[in-house]
Amino acid sequence: GESVGLHLPTLSVQEGDNSIINCAYSNSASDYFIWYKQESGKGPQFIIDIRSNMDKRQGQRVTVLLNKTVKHLSLQIAATQPGDSAVYFCAEKGGSQGNLIFGKGTKLSVKP
Amino acid sequence: DVKVTQSSRYLVKRTGEKVFLECVQDMDHENMFWYRQDPGLGLRLIYFSYDVKMKEKGDIPEGYSVSREKKERFSLILESASTNQTSMYLCASSDRFGYTFGSGTRLTVV
Repeated sequence: GESVGLHLPTLSVQEGDNSIINCAYSNSASDYFIWYKQESGKGPQFIIDIRSNMDKRQGQRVTVLLNKTVKHLSLQIAATQPGDSAVYFCAEKGGSQGNLIFGKGTKLSVKP
Repeated sequence: DVKVTQSSRYLVKRTGEKVFLECVQDMDHENMFWYRQDPGLGLRLIYFSYDVKMKEKGDIPEGYSVSREKKERFSLILESASTNQTSMYLCASSDRFGYTFGSGTRLTVV
């Protein structure tokens, strides 16, 4: 998931299928990662987080996978529903003052 | 639950106006942030604050200033609004780890 220019990467899935959203992060020293969901007209909302000492963390219908070797983060959504349609951002905690650094987002569209 | 409230959902201002965007959080968080969000560019940090009366520049502070007179309130000020400041503005507060965002203010400068 990182966008280039003004185009947001888009993932289109059928309702009921599983979705996988990917994110490459930049700082190998980052020790905390978060996925946010942003619905149209709303601010980003926390979905799930993971610390760098873990490879996998599961929530309700969501799983985050962390591959530190290649600096890659993924969000898996099981049995995707229309309400999952949104823009999804990854964020890493590793800025110069420990601020979160956000990816540019991936737009998930769920077809009924 | 932490609540971050931005005073306006939509604003339309004229070029050259001084614009104030207000943000209030109710969980005693020390850290507060202002971002702008533009299509394809993601969230870009304008200013942040780790304490009352403290402010730090983010990645794109030009044309903006901030005020943090009270812990719960963080204001973003556009000294002289320009059309390239038309954007979605997001406020956030945080504890040690996660951020909680407000619903955003969509500002249009005409």
